[in-house]
Order: sequence, then C-alpha cells, then structure tokens
Amino acid sequence: SQQGEEDPQALSIQEGENATMNCSYKTSINNLQWYRQNSGRGLVHLILIRSNEREKHSGRLRVTLDTSKKSSSLLITASRAADTASYFCATGRSGTYKYIFGTGTRLKVLA
Amino acid sequence: GAVVSQHPSRVICKSGTSVKIECRSLDFQATTMFWYRQFPKQSLMLMATSNEGSKATYEQGVEKDKFLINHASLTLSTLTVTSAHPEDSSFYICSARGDGGAGRDTQYFGPGTRLTVL
Repeated sequence: SQQGEEDPQALSIQEGENATMNCSYKTSINNLQWYRQNSGRGLVHLILIRSNEREKHSGRLRVTLDTSKKSSSLLITASRAADTASYFCATGRSGTYKYIFGTGTRLKVLA
Repeated sequence: GAVVSQHPSRVICKSGTSVKIECRSLDFQATTMFWYRQFPKQSLMLMATSNEGSKATYEQGVEKDKFLINHASLTLSTLTVTSAHPEDSSFYICSARGDGGAGRDTQYFGPGTRLTVL
C-alpha cells in the first residue's frame, strides 16, 4: 500500500490531557504535513515540517520528524473538546508535488 | 489564507448519469490541483493530479475514462464522474498547490463534495 500508517487508529482522552498520534511512512520525503478533518468536512492544514527539521511547534501543537525511522508524531497539549476530529499525516515525496495520506487517527476529547 | 471552493457540496444522482464537480482556487493561481476520494471512516486516496493546460495524471487503478478531469484555467479544475454507479458514491475532495515561495509546499483543500448514486 502507498499509504502511511498512523497509530493509534482511535484515541479517546479527557479534556486537558495530551494527545499523541504517530505516523510512519515508506518513501523518502521532502516534507510531512498534518491535517485535521472534522466529520464530513474538508481538511484543515495544521503544520508542515521539512525533511531537514526535527521538531516544530505551533500553539498547542508539537510535531517531530525522525527521517531515519521514517516516522513523525503530533502532540496536542491541553486538549479541548473542540479538538475532536480525525488527524491525518501526509507525506510529500521527493521529486513530486504529490502527497500520500496516512490512515488517520480519530481523536475524541471528552468534556 | 488561501481558499479553495468546491461545487456542489452535495449531489444525489441516478445510476448511469454523469456528475461534474468543480474545484476553484479563489485568491491564488493553482497550476496544479489534486483530486482525492474518501470512503467513510477511511483516509484520502489520491485519484489524479490535474495540471493546467495539459492532461491529468491518474494514479494506478483509477479509470481515466470514468473520472474525467479538466483543468481549463489557473483557478478551475473539474472532475466528471461518468456513468456513475452506486459504488462511486463517496466524498470527493480537491486540493490546490500553493503558488510560489513557501506556499508551494502546502496544499489547500476544498470543503469536499459528497456524491450519492442511487
């Protein structure tokens, strides 16, 4: 399969807790992006990390990238009920502008 | 930020008919757009890359005669599902690659079109 794998597939946490999602991929990449999708809606871009970067922050989001292990993680700190959504990683392959999406993690934050 | 629209947002059609979905970049020019389909509770599968002024590039397993893509201008790409069948029912999402500079690495997604074929 071309797709990357994300784990866990589903995650349920209490409001205020941190949520960590992992993404593994197979090919060499230029960059990796994380997106959020609310049920039945389009995707919202969260953060982009380039292949020469190891960590990036944006507000309550922290993304890491380990190209030697072909993996990335997304950490959402102090989660809120509004963070409930599906989260996808997408890898930009070297030499193309195409992005391959991971299988996604469905996050549920309980109030 | 960059905005991408899709029309219609929802369409129901009879089996055997054709349906056209439009994808527009509203405030930037997009030489490259992408079409994805997404089944319920699944990830996005890239169907094809739409290039302005040239033929689309289809991913393996996607029937180009069934899913016709036209990228007639720098702000508009269309996907036509021909002779639709119930198994074509899905959520179709387009994206447009940002223009120039850092934006070119970011894809901006449309809100999606839910197609239901009866």
